[in-house]
Amino acid sequence: SAVISQKPSRDICQRGTSLTIQCQVDSQVTMMFWYRQQPGQSLTLIATANQGSEATYESGFVIDKFPISRPNLTFSTLTVSNMSPEDSSIYLCSVESTLQETQYFGPGTRLLVL
Amino acid sequence: KQEVTQIPAALSVPEGENLVLNCSFTDSAIYNLQWFRQDPGKGLTSLLLIQSSQREQTSGRLNASLDKSSGRSTLYIAASQPGDSATYLCAVSSNNFNKFYFGSGTKLNVKP
Repeated sequence: SAVISQKPSRDICQRGTSLTIQCQVDSQVTMMFWYRQQPGQSLTLIATANQGSEATYESGFVIDKFPISRPNLTFSTLTVSNMSPEDSSIYLCSVESTLQETQYFGPGTRLLVL
Repeated sequence: KQEVTQIPAALSVPEGENLVLNCSFTDSAIYNLQWFRQDPGKGLTSLLLIQSSQREQTSGRLNASLDKSSGRSTLYIAASQPGDSATYLCAVSSNNFNKFYFGSGTKLNVKP
C-alpha cells in the first residue's frame, strides 16, 4: 500500500483568501485524485491529476476555483481559491493502487472558512 | 449517474452485538464495490473489496456481500467492539476503476 501525507491537516481561513493543500506519496504513481467531503455528506471527486498533463475536472468543479498542480509522480497540490464558507470541507487526496483496482487515501485536510 | 445510499445513517449498539450495514446503488454496471472505514483525522481505510463477479468477501469479523442485480451490498460485523466505532463508507466504481461513487456513510458507535 502507499503512504500518503497531506499538509496542512487543518486550517481556519477568512473568506476571499486561498489555501493550497499539499499531497505527498511515498512511491511513484501515475494517477492522483482530489476529493471533497462536505459536512455530513459523502466524498465527491473534484478532479484527477496526471503527471505531465492538465487535471481532469468533474462536473461542477472548475480550474479557476480549484487549480491543481502535479509537478512529479509523488506530489500534487490543490488550491481552493477565493474561499467562501461553503468551501468548508474535508479535502482528501488519493492514489491508485498498484493492482489498479482501488485507491489509497490520505488523512485529509479539514478546512473551515469564516 | 450512479447514486449510492447507505442505511442507517447512524447506529448505536452495545458491545458484543452482531450488526448489519446496508448499501444500495442505482446502476448495476459496476467494476467493484468497496467498504471503507473513516476515523476522524485518519482518512479512509479499505476494509473489503468485492469484484463485480464475486458475491462476498470476508476478513476477520467482517463479511461483505454483493448482489449486483438488485444493487445491494451489506457489511456484517460480528461481535462488535468499541474499537469498531467509526464511520463506514460504501463506494462503487464504474467500469473505470478510477471513478468512485461514495455513500454518505453509517456512523457506528459501539458502547462498552
